[in-house]
Amino acid sequence: AQTVTQSQPEMSVQEAETVTLSCTYDTSESNYYLFWYKQPPSRQMILVIRQEAYKQQNATENRFSVNFQKAAKSFSLKISDSQLGDTAMYFCAFMKHLEEDDMRFGAGTRLTVKP
Amino acid sequence: EPEVTQTPSHQVTQMGQEVILRCVPISNHLYFYWYRQILGQKVEFLVSFYNNEISEKSEIFDDQFSVERPDGSNFTLKIRSTKLEDSAMYFCASTRGSYNEQFFGPGTRLTVL
Repeated sequence: AQTVTQSQPEMSVQEAETVTLSCTYDTSESNYYLFWYKQPPSRQMILVIRQEAYKQQNATENRFSVNFQKAAKSFSLKISDSQLGDTAMYFCAFMKHLEEDDMRFGAGTRLTVKP
Repeated sequence: EPEVTQTPSHQVTQMGQEVILRCVPISNHLYFYWYRQILGQKVEFLVSFYNNEISEKSEIFDDQFSVERPDGSNFTLKIRSTKLEDSAMYFCASTRGSYNEQFFGPGTRLTVL
């Protein structure tokens, strides 16, 4: 069974607006990593953002930021000023600390940015 | 809840040997994928498969790689002559439609010595 849950199979947003993609996970670990990957139609997997669980500060990369709620085991991705090129599948992923060969993926959220 | 399974969980092989990684996708899914993640690096797309043929493949997926759905349930990735740099975690995924959510297996860790 997957330990990472993305409850929104599809979402859409108007260009220039903000959208938030949800991700929850289940673990008993205290130290781990969380990721958001973007998969455009090319199928290439692009790492969007990464968060270390021991860091309280939410990670930010340009227009992408996360809301990491460790107690709630929630890791949402916020995309600000959405652009047409943001249209893609977005995967949330979890990896235990020091176990780089044990990554778990959510099922993905398909985001469409509308002009 | 149905899930994607992969065997073995860990495969160790000698350089130059052939390996076959096996995946059992979710039964009513139609699209199948292989990804890999070299230790500590990003996840990379290898290939997608639909209707018994490759629909897309990346530059990584060269002549050393092949995929097959031999019996309608298994989906295999074969590496003909393994190299040291093939050592990675290999993930299989499946989906009902190419625009639907993908369900990932737990991965097979391949170690080439």
